[in-house]
Amino acid sequence: GAVVSQHPSWVICKSGTSVKIECRSLDFQATTMFWYRQFPKQSLMLMATSNEGSKATYEQGVEKDKFLINHASLTLSTLTVTSAHPEDSSFYICSGQGQETQYFGPGTRLLVL
Amino acid sequence: GENVEQHPSTLSVQEGDSAVIKCTYSDSASNYFPWYKQELGKRPQLIIDIRSNVGEKKDQRIAVTLNKTAKHFSLHITETQPEDSAVYFCAARFQGAQKLVFGQGTRLTINP
Repeated sequence: GAVVSQHPSWVICKSGTSVKIECRSLDFQATTMFWYRQFPKQSLMLMATSNEGSKATYEQGVEKDKFLINHASLTLSTLTVTSAHPEDSSFYICSGQGQETQYFGPGTRLLVL
Repeated sequence: GENVEQHPSTLSVQEGDSAVIKCTYSDSASNYFPWYKQELGKRPQLIIDIRSNVGEKKDQRIAVTLNKTAKHFSLHITETQPEDSAVYFCAARFQGAQKLVFGQGTRLTINP
């Protein structure tokens, strides 16, 4: 099956700093990538849809200036959490779409102190 | 609006018995329905999917059924094993959309 990698796998940062998370499709080209946030014991919450070469589409309630998404190539999308605060602590997961199926990365656990 | 309801939220079955998880969706034009399994701290992994032109699909111990008239689809796991313990998510892709809408998840526990 298709493989998606994500880096870093976990990060601890101080409040007010910015954190960049990379998502790569390793063996397929993902025209569309998705970014999710998942809180403990909850479902996947879609944050934004990212299409290569165009601006991301954000879900209602997600601040586009706080969660910057760049999808510069068919195999790489990045999510930058700007001026992170403790309430941004969560599990962030990306997925790449190959034809119909979404393949998920391993996730990044962010802890903001 | 777009919505997927999943039941039950938790399910506990004896090893060897069957488990059934059900989902309903709001848009009758939805055309793609995947199921994902997520183990603790890991990524969701696709275990089976079905398209709207098919009523049933089976892969070894796992099967999915789709009832378009009633707008619901179900995951069936037979001969359950301890390694089936995980959280299962259903999802639906609504017509004209790229994104998947996920159900709330079912925590399945297989008791030895």
